[in-house]
Amino acid sequence: QVQLVESGGGLVKPGGSLRLSCAASGFTFSDYYMSWIRQAPGKGLEWVSYISNSGNTIYYADSVKGRFTTSRDNAKNSLDLQMSSLRAEDTAVYFCARALRWLQPLDSWGQGTLVTVSS
Amino acid sequence: EIVLTQSPGTLSLSPGERATLSCRASQSDGNYLAWYQQKHGQAPRLLIYGASRRATGIPDRFSGSGSGTDFTLTISRLEPEDFAVYYCQQYASSPWTFGQGTKVEI
Repeated sequence: QVQLVESGGGLVKPGGSLRLSCAASGFTFSDYYMSWIRQAPGKGLEWVSYISNSGNTIYYADSVKGRFTTSRDNAKNSLDLQMSSLRAEDTAVYFCARALRWLQPLDSWGQGTLVTVSS
Repeated sequence: EIVLTQSPGTLSLSPGERATLSCRASQSDGNYLAWYQQKHGQAPRLLIYGASRRATGIPDRFSGSGSGTDFTLTISRLEPEDFAVYYCQQYASSPWTFGQGTKVEI
């Protein structure tokens, strides 16, 4: 079955960096576009970034542009989110999710990993 | 950026009742509108996409309708497991955006 498992979350100081990973299994990873979505404690969902199946096209939310970098390794079935210059407002559960292609919804989600930015 | 506004913020209903959730978009960009269900401590689950298509495995008591800028999620008869938060999302253009959510509570 489809599995998306995030890892790498934790406590980091403001201005610090953290790298999240999403391990995919149960489907042909290279066929799917992937996305990161976050949810601050007690708040709603916020889309963070989106990467095409080849990795050639990447979009970011304005709130993270220039600070976060999304990448993927289709040979390893993995998706990464490199986060730098972290702020308190980046504190959230980060989910990875897949979409079959552009103009398709997010049809499977991981369980998320918590990132806490605090001194 | 397409802004999605969901109403009401909270819906208080009983099992067996009908739930009607609204999502209004600030502009129209096709019917690339999805609904997700999120239970406490869990990941969101796709319910409806393309405004009205049920995702795989979703019971037929869930239905989506609407077009343009006004969309509706209807749960025909609430089951105990349907009490959750529901989000709409547009995936027509970047940045993808979500509504703020509607909580369906007992």
